[in-house]
Formats: sequence, C-alpha cells, structure tokens
Amino acid sequence: AQKITQTQPGMFVQEKEAVTLDCTYDTSDPSYGLFWYKQPSSGEMIFLIYQGSYDQQNATEGRYSLNFQKARKSANLVISASQLGDSAMYFCAMRPNSGGSNYKLTFGKGTLLTVNP
Amino acid sequence: DTEVTQTPKHLVMGMTNKKSLKCEQHMGHRAMYWYKQKAKKPPELMFVYSYEKLSINESVPSRFSPECPNSSLLNLHLHALQPEDSALYLCASGRAGTTPGYGYTFGSGTRLTVV
Repeated sequence: AQKITQTQPGMFVQEKEAVTLDCTYDTSDPSYGLFWYKQPSSGEMIFLIYQGSYDQQNATEGRYSLNFQKARKSANLVISASQLGDSAMYFCAMRPNSGGSNYKLTFGKGTLLTVNP
Repeated sequence: DTEVTQTPKHLVMGMTNKKSLKCEQHMGHRAMYWYKQKAKKPPELMFVYSYEKLSINESVPSRFSPECPNSSLLNLHLHALQPEDSALYLCASGRAGTTPGYGYTFGSGTRLTVV
C-alpha cells in the first residue's frame, strides 16, 4: 500500500518569495512516480511536475522544482517567485509502476497555499 | 482549455432522481477514471477503466454505475443517491498500461448536490 503525507495544512508566502511544500511518502514498490497537482477554488486539478523514482536529477518545470530525496522518501515542491495566482490547494500524489495498482494515483491530504501581496 | 471535458459543471438532484455525469477526452488516452472529492479533502478513486473495460472498482456503492461506451467517453450514472454523496466528481484520463512518468489529465469536475 502507498501512503502520502503532507504535514502542512496551510502555508502563507509573500508575493515574489519562494516557498517549499513538504511531501513524504511510503511504498514497498521499487518503481514509482511522484506528482504534484494544483487545485484552485474552481476545482480543476492541474498537473505541475513529475519525478520518477529512478530519475537521477530533480525535476524542474518553470517556477516549479521538486526536491527529491529518495533515501528520506521525500518529494518537496519548491515554488520560486510566488505569484498571487499560485494561491490554491496543492496535492502530492504517487503512483506505483507495477502490478494491478499501476493505475492508482494516491493523494496526500493537501496543503492550502495563500500568497499575500 | 481543459482537454478533459465534464458536463454538467453543477448538478442538483433529489434522492429519487436518476442523473448521469459525462466525461469526454480526445487525447487518445485508453485509461479513464472517476474520483470523488469532498470539501477540503483529497480526491478518492472510485473507478478505473482501461481499454473500455472496468479494471478497478473501489468498493463503490451500486447507486453509482459507471459506463465507458467508447475510448473517448466515460459516464457515471447516479440513482437513489444520499445527501452524503454531495461532492465534486472529477474525471481523469491517462495512458493505459505500465507507462511510468505520465500524470493524469483531470477535467474541471461536476459539483453535485443531493437534496
């Protein structure tokens, strides 16, 4: 079974500053993928960034980067130069790459990020 | 523009009504998903279809009945729902099979209220 833990129910950041959203995970699968999604109040889940368990480098996508520490089983999201439009709920998620559970994307409880002007 | 389209965006239904949620994608994905999301909670997987066949049912009550008529369309038929079924219902699509590194594309969701 997979488990995703996001320990920060809410985070505040000043506009133009960087912020780190924490995510730890637990799995017995040797191969897996880690994802971050953004969910604005409108409801749509927006894919932000992906990290594979065997990827040697940390993933980056524009202002988003993933600080992947495999030994610690952590996959923190770093948002640089925060913008007001970044205010949303952020979910960390994991999907194993094996067996029948390959299709299952398991989510953490989420972190509500508020960007202050 | 989202590439997964869900209709309707909002739905209010009585406990004796029958209604359907619709999800459509034209990305060539062969896996489609229904998730249920309560307020301030993460999405919970309900059903997975792979190549138009039901592959995962997460012990969902029979008052929810999924249907995948073709590779682009996914329906969720609703009957005799309870007020606690009120939630945001999200549809997603993705590549089927063991393709690592590919996230799912979600629709904007249907906000369902059962009265």
